[in-house]
Amino acid sequence: NAGVTQTPKFRVLKTGQSMTLLCAQDMNHEYMYWYRQDPGMGLRLIHYSVGEGTTAKGEVPDGYNVSRLKKQNFLLGLESAAPSQTSVYFCASEPRGAYGYTFGSGTRLTVV
Amino acid sequence: AQKVTQAQTEISVVEKEDVTLDCVYETRDTTYYLFWYKQPPSGELVFLIRRNSFDEQNEISGRYSWNFQKSTSSFNFTITASQVVDSAVYFCALSAYQKVTFGTGTKLQVIP
Repeated sequence: NAGVTQTPKFRVLKTGQSMTLLCAQDMNHEYMYWYRQDPGMGLRLIHYSVGEGTTAKGEVPDGYNVSRLKKQNFLLGLESAAPSQTSVYFCASEPRGAYGYTFGSGTRLTVV
Repeated sequence: AQKVTQAQTEISVVEKEDVTLDCVYETRDTTYYLFWYKQPPSGELVFLIRRNSFDEQNEISGRYSWNFQKSTSSFNFTITASQVVDSAVYFCALSAYQKVTFGTGTKLQVIP
């Protein structure tokens, strides 16, 4: 089925460990996004990309890095995980023109 | 700066009642887009509707309807004859100049 696929779905990390979250979309969308969702705070934008090879910071970029080497993939990296990064992470994509997001199913990350 | 306010944190209704979810937005831009998304207990985020700032026509889709009023900067969402399957968190979002701002969500509980 067409859509946005996030891997992994769940992960537990120890403080200081690193990991990469993968987002893949097969809809040929130009724009891709990484959000985190925390209780009572809605969705906050971490980083986004408006095309292959381009990335930009969102509202809460500290502690994260991203790469978009291929149009269909958008990777989110945590170099040294901290408990404050415990959250649910959502990837989203949309075609150029603010047509609305297609979201992945989310990754629940716990940092202990 | 742009802002989206969903003042209703939680709403409970009895099945078959009508319910309206409020969304008030702020933006200085004249061209913008408004969205509603649904997040059921399973956790995924689902796009419901997109409306651009030049189209104030109300929209109805089955039991769902949306009332966009620029004069009051509101984009309210009404569910008619609510059902248990409508239980979810609903997010309103505003997109302007490639920046998307989400409200903090309204949790709707439909009691059988």
